Amino acid sequence: AQSVSQHNHHVILSEAASLELGCNYSYGGTVNLFWYVQYPGQHLQLLLKYFSGDPLVKGIKGFEAEFIKSKFSFNLRKPSVQWSDTAEYFCAVSTGGFKTIFGAGTRLFVKA
Amino acid sequence: NAGVTQTPKFRVLKTGQSMTLLCAQDMNHEYMYWYRQDPGMGLRLIHYSVGEGTTAKGEVPDGYNVSRLKKQNFLLGLESAAPSQTSVYFCASRDPRGPGELFFGEGSRLTVL
Repeated sequence: AQSVSQHNHHVILSEAASLELGCNYSYGGTVNLFWYVQYPGQHLQLLLKYFSGDPLVKGIKGFEAEFIKSKFSFNLRKPSVQWSDTAEYFCAVSTGGFKTIFGAGTRLFVKA
Repeated sequence: NAGVTQTPKFRVLKTGQSMTLLCAQDMNHEYMYWYRQDPGMGLRLIHYSVGEGTTAKGEVPDGYNVSRLKKQNFLLGLESAAPSQTSVYFCASRDPRGPGELFFGEGSRLTVL
C-alpha cells in the first residue's frame, strides 16, 4: 500500500534558523507531490507542488522542496524561518488516481 | 470566492445520535473527499466521490455514510455517533484534469460524548 512518512513530528526552531522537513513516500510509479500547511485554527492550504520538470520547486512564503526520485523523497526547506511560519506541515502524494495520501504531519514552532 | 464551505463548523453529539455534515463547492470540481484529522495521524480518507451519484470508500469508512446527489454537494453522515468519531473533519475538492491539488474547507470539529 502507498504510504507517506514524515520524519519529524515536532520541530522547534528559533527565528532565522534554517528549516528542513523530511518526507518519503512508497510508490514506484509516477507521482505528484505536495506540501500543505495548516496555520493554527485554519484549514489546509497548498504550500507547493511538484508534478513534472525541475525537481526543485518553489512555493509561497520562501519555501522550496526538492524531489529526489532515487530516494523517494520530497523534503521541504526554508533558509530562514519566521515566527509566522509556526504551523503544521503535511506532505502528500497523489499517484494519478483518485486518492491523495497524507503524512502524519510535522508541527513546527518558531520561537520569536 | 467561497471555494469549499462546510457546515456546521462545530457540533457536540451524544453517543448514538446521528448527524450530517454538509460540504459545498463552487468550483465545478468532479472529485470530492471527506477526511478526518486526528493528532499524530495526519489526514485519513473516509469516503470520496468522483462524480455526481458516485461514492467510494477510503481508508476509514466504518461508521460513516456519504451521498453525492448534486455535483456541488457532498454529505457525510454519522448514523450512530461514537466517541471514537470525535475529530476534525475536512472536506476537499479537486479538478481531475489538474495535477491533484486539493482545495479544503475550513473544517468541522465534532465532539461525541
